Amino acid sequence: QKEVEQDPGPLSVPEGAIVSLNCTYSNSAFQYFMWYRQYSRKGPELLMYTYSSGNKEDGRFTAQVDKSSKYISLFIRDSQPSDSATYLCAMSNRDDKIIFGKGTRLHILP
Amino acid sequence: GAGVSQSPRYKVTKRGQDVALRCDPISGHVSLYWYRQALGQGPEFLTYFNYEAQQDKSGLPNDRFSAERPEGSISTLTIQRTEQRDSAMYRCASSLLGGAEQFFGPGTRLTVL
Repeated sequence: QKEVEQDPGPLSVPEGAIVSLNCTYSNSAFQYFMWYRQYSRKGPELLMYTYSSGNKEDGRFTAQVDKSSKYISLFIRDSQPSDSATYLCAMSNRDDKIIFGKGTRLHILP
Repeated sequence: GAGVSQSPRYKVTKRGQDVALRCDPISGHVSLYWYRQALGQGPEFLTYFNYEAQQDKSGLPNDRFSAERPEGSISTLTIQRTEQRDSAMYRCASSLLGGAEQFFGPGTRLTVL
Protein backbone atom coordinates (compact mmCIF):
# COMPACT_ATOMS: atom_id res chain seq x y z
CA GLN A 1 0.00 0.00 0.00
CA LYS A 2 1.37 3.41 -0.98
CA GLU A 3 1.68 6.01 1.75
CA VAL A 4 -0.61 8.42 -0.12
CA GLU A 5 -3.35 7.38 -2.53
CA GLN A 6 -4.99 9.81 -4.93
CA ASP A 7 -7.24 9.11 -7.89
CA PRO A 8 -5.45 10.48 -11.00
CA GLY A 9 -8.71 11.31 -12.81
CA PRO A 10 -9.28 13.07 -15.12
CA LEU A 11 -12.24 14.70 -13.45
CA SER A 12 -14.45 16.88 -15.67
CA VAL A 13 -17.13 19.13 -14.20
CA PRO A 14 -19.18 22.02 -15.58
CA GLU A 15 -18.31 25.58 -14.68
CA GLY A 16 -19.93 26.69 -11.44
CA ALA A 17 -20.12 23.20 -9.94
CA ILE A 18 -18.63 22.21 -6.60
CA VAL A 19 -15.52 20.09 -6.99
CA SER A 20 -14.49 17.49 -4.45
CA LEU A 21 -10.97 16.09 -4.48
CA ASN A 22 -9.61 13.67 -1.92
CA CYS A 23 -6.72 11.52 -0.77
CA THR A 24 -6.22 8.70 1.67
CA TYR A 25 -3.04 7.90 3.52
CA SER A 26 -1.61 5.16 5.66
CA ASN A 27 0.98 6.85 7.89
CA SER A 28 -0.67 8.01 11.12
CA ALA A 29 2.40 10.15 11.91
CA PHE A 30 1.47 12.71 9.25
CA GLN A 31 0.49 15.99 10.87
CA TYR A 32 0.75 18.55 8.08
CA PHE A 33 -1.55 18.36 5.10
CA MET A 34 -1.28 20.40 1.95
CA TRP A 35 -2.91 20.83 -1.41
CA TYR A 36 -0.81 22.02 -4.33
CA ARG A 37 -2.07 23.14 -7.72
CA GLN A 38 0.06 22.47 -10.76
CA TYR A 39 -0.66 23.97 -14.14
CA SER A 40 0.72 22.30 -17.24
CA ARG A 41 4.49 22.81 -17.60
CA LYS A 42 4.70 24.68 -14.28
CA GLY A 43 5.92 23.85 -10.81
CA PRO A 44 3.49 22.98 -8.00
CA GLU A 45 1.99 25.99 -6.20
CA LEU A 46 0.88 25.76 -2.58
CA LEU A 47 -2.88 26.25 -2.34
CA MET A 48 -3.90 25.16 1.14
CA TYR A 49 -1.99 24.17 4.26
CA THR A 50 -3.55 22.54 7.33
CA TYR A 51 -2.11 21.29 10.57
CA SER A 52 -3.77 18.24 12.15
CA SER A 53 -7.52 17.65 11.83
CA GLY A 54 -10.23 20.12 10.99
CA ASN A 55 -11.34 22.47 8.26
CA LYS A 56 -9.71 25.47 6.68
CA GLU A 57 -11.37 27.87 4.28
CA ASP A 58 -9.76 30.33 1.89
CA GLY A 59 -12.06 32.01 -0.58
CA ARG A 60 -13.62 29.37 -2.81
CA PHE A 61 -11.39 26.64 -1.40
CA THR A 62 -12.01 24.49 1.68
CA ALA A 63 -9.61 21.86 2.97
CA GLN A 64 -10.75 19.14 5.35
CA VAL A 65 -8.64 16.68 7.31
CA ASP A 66 -10.03 13.64 9.09
CA LYS A 67 -7.10 11.99 10.84
CA SER A 68 -9.26 9.24 12.34
CA SER A 69 -10.15 8.07 8.84
CA LYS A 70 -6.80 9.09 7.30
CA TYR A 71 -8.71 11.04 4.67
CA ILE A 72 -8.27 14.57 3.37
CA SER A 73 -10.41 16.57 0.98
CA LEU A 74 -10.31 19.77 -1.02
CA PHE A 75 -13.54 21.45 -2.09
CA ILE A 76 -13.71 24.12 -4.77
CA ARG A 77 -16.90 26.17 -4.90
CA ASP A 78 -18.12 28.02 -7.98
CA SER A 79 -15.47 26.33 -10.11
CA GLN A 80 -13.96 28.34 -12.94
CA PRO A 81 -12.18 27.26 -16.14
CA SER A 82 -9.02 28.78 -14.65
CA ASP A 83 -9.21 26.10 -11.92
CA SER A 84 -8.37 23.48 -14.55
CA ALA A 85 -5.07 21.99 -13.38
CA THR A 86 -3.61 19.01 -11.57
CA TYR A 87 -4.24 19.05 -7.83
CA LEU A 88 -1.68 17.28 -5.66
CA CYS A 89 -2.32 16.35 -2.08
CA ALA A 90 0.76 16.26 0.11
CA MET A 91 1.54 15.49 3.71
CA SER A 92 4.41 15.33 6.15
CA ASN A 93 5.35 14.71 9.74
CA ARG A 94 7.85 16.77 11.65
CA ASP A 95 10.87 15.93 9.56
CA ASP A 96 9.79 18.19 6.70
CA LYS A 97 9.94 15.42 4.12
CA ILE A 98 6.78 15.84 2.06
CA ILE A 99 5.05 12.87 0.49
CA PHE A 100 2.91 13.75 -2.52
CA GLY A 101 -0.01 11.97 -4.09
CA LYS A 102 -0.01 11.31 -7.83
CA GLY A 103 -2.27 14.28 -8.48
CA THR A 104 -5.80 14.51 -9.88
CA ARG A 105 -6.27 16.18 -13.27
CA LEU A 106 -9.26 18.51 -13.14
CA HIS A 107 -11.05 19.99 -16.14
CA ILE A 108 -13.67 22.68 -15.67
CA LEU A 109 -15.89 22.81 -18.72
CA PRO A 110 -17.10 26.31 -19.72
CA GLY B 1 14.88 37.09 -6.59
CA ALA B 2 11.15 36.79 -6.72
CA GLY B 3 11.03 33.02 -6.68
CA VAL B 4 13.04 29.83 -6.84
CA SER B 5 15.11 29.60 -9.99
CA GLN B 6 16.66 26.54 -11.55
CA SER B 7 19.17 26.08 -14.34
CA PRO B 8 19.39 24.81 -16.90
CA ARG B 9 15.69 24.53 -17.70
CA TYR B 10 16.41 21.72 -20.14
CA LYS B 11 19.37 19.36 -20.25
CA VAL B 12 19.99 16.65 -22.82
CA THR B 13 22.93 14.39 -22.19
CA LYS B 14 24.31 11.09 -23.33
CA ARG B 15 24.26 8.02 -21.15
CA GLY B 16 27.36 7.84 -18.98
CA GLN B 17 27.91 11.60 -18.74
CA ASP B 18 27.77 13.53 -15.47
CA VAL B 19 25.26 16.38 -15.05
CA ALA B 20 24.95 19.19 -12.51
CA LEU B 21 21.61 20.85 -11.85
CA ARG B 22 21.49 24.15 -10.05
CA CYS B 23 18.90 25.64 -7.70
CA ASP B 24 18.80 29.21 -6.41
CA PRO B 25 16.24 29.45 -3.56
CA ILE B 26 14.14 32.41 -2.53
CA SER B 27 16.34 34.94 -0.74
CA GLY B 28 16.32 34.34 3.00
CA HIS B 29 14.93 30.81 2.77
CA VAL B 30 16.91 28.50 5.01
CA SER B 31 15.54 25.16 3.83
CA LEU B 32 16.06 23.76 0.34
CA TYR B 33 14.57 20.59 -1.09
CA TRP B 34 15.16 18.49 -4.18
CA TYR B 35 12.44 16.40 -5.81
CA ARG B 36 12.10 14.32 -8.93
CA GLN B 37 8.81 14.27 -10.81
CA ALA B 38 7.96 11.72 -13.46
CA LEU B 39 5.22 12.44 -15.98
CA GLY B 40 1.80 11.95 -14.44
CA GLN B 41 3.20 11.57 -10.93
CA GLY B 42 3.62 13.79 -7.92
CA PRO B 43 7.07 15.03 -6.90
CA GLU B 44 9.20 12.40 -5.19
CA PHE B 45 11.44 13.58 -2.35
CA LEU B 46 15.19 13.23 -2.90
CA THR B 47 17.00 15.26 -0.23
CA TYR B 48 16.90 18.49 1.76
CA PHE B 49 19.13 21.02 3.47
CA ASN B 50 18.84 23.44 6.34
CA TYR B 51 21.48 26.10 5.72
CA GLU B 52 24.46 24.16 4.36
CA ALA B 53 23.74 20.96 6.28
CA GLN B 54 22.14 18.06 4.46
CA GLN B 55 19.38 16.88 6.80
CA ASP B 56 17.95 13.93 4.94
CA LYS B 57 19.17 12.17 1.82
CA SER B 58 17.03 9.09 2.14
CA GLY B 59 15.30 9.74 -1.19
CA LEU B 60 18.44 9.71 -3.33
CA PRO B 61 18.03 6.61 -5.54
CA ASN B 62 21.65 5.43 -5.40
CA ASP B 63 25.19 6.66 -4.90
CA ARG B 64 25.35 8.23 -8.35
CA PHE B 65 23.19 11.01 -6.97
CA SER B 66 24.62 13.65 -4.65
CA ALA B 67 23.74 17.17 -3.59
CA GLU B 68 25.51 20.02 -1.90
CA ARG B 69 24.79 23.50 -0.64
CA PRO B 70 28.21 24.72 0.50
CA GLU B 71 27.31 28.29 1.47
CA GLY B 72 23.74 27.72 2.55
CA SER B 73 22.24 29.33 -0.52
CA ILE B 74 22.63 27.87 -4.02
CA SER B 75 22.47 24.10 -4.26
CA THR B 76 23.72 21.66 -6.88
CA LEU B 77 22.31 18.21 -7.55
CA THR B 78 24.86 16.06 -9.36
CA ILE B 79 24.13 12.84 -11.18
CA GLN B 80 27.17 10.83 -12.19
CA ARG B 81 27.27 8.30 -15.05
CA THR B 82 23.73 9.13 -16.09
CA GLU B 83 21.38 6.39 -17.20
CA GLN B 84 18.22 6.58 -19.31
CA ARG B 85 16.09 5.89 -16.24
CA ASP B 86 17.37 9.17 -14.74
CA SER B 87 15.32 11.11 -17.32
CA ALA B 88 12.74 13.16 -15.44
CA MET B 89 11.84 16.64 -14.25
CA TYR B 90 14.01 17.64 -11.30
CA ARG B 91 12.42 20.23 -9.05
CA CYS B 92 13.82 22.35 -6.29
CA ALA B 93 11.80 23.98 -3.52
CA SER B 94 12.63 26.25 -0.62
CA SER B 95 11.01 27.33 2.63
CA LEU B 96 11.75 29.83 5.36
CA LEU B 97 12.91 27.24 7.89
CA GLY B 98 11.59 23.73 7.59
CA GLY B 99 7.86 23.42 7.55
CA ALA B 100 5.57 22.17 4.89
CA GLU B 101 5.04 25.49 3.09
CA GLN B 102 7.47 24.99 0.28
CA PHE B 103 7.80 27.07 -2.85
CA PHE B 104 8.77 25.28 -6.01
CA GLY B 105 10.96 26.31 -8.90
CA PRO B 106 10.17 25.68 -12.57
CA GLY B 107 12.28 22.53 -12.70
CA THR B 108 15.02 21.15 -14.95
CA ARG B 109 13.90 18.66 -17.58
CA LEU B 110 16.67 16.07 -17.88
CA THR B 111 16.76 13.76 -20.88
CA VAL B 112 19.37 11.02 -21.02
CA LEU B 113 19.84 9.55 -24.48
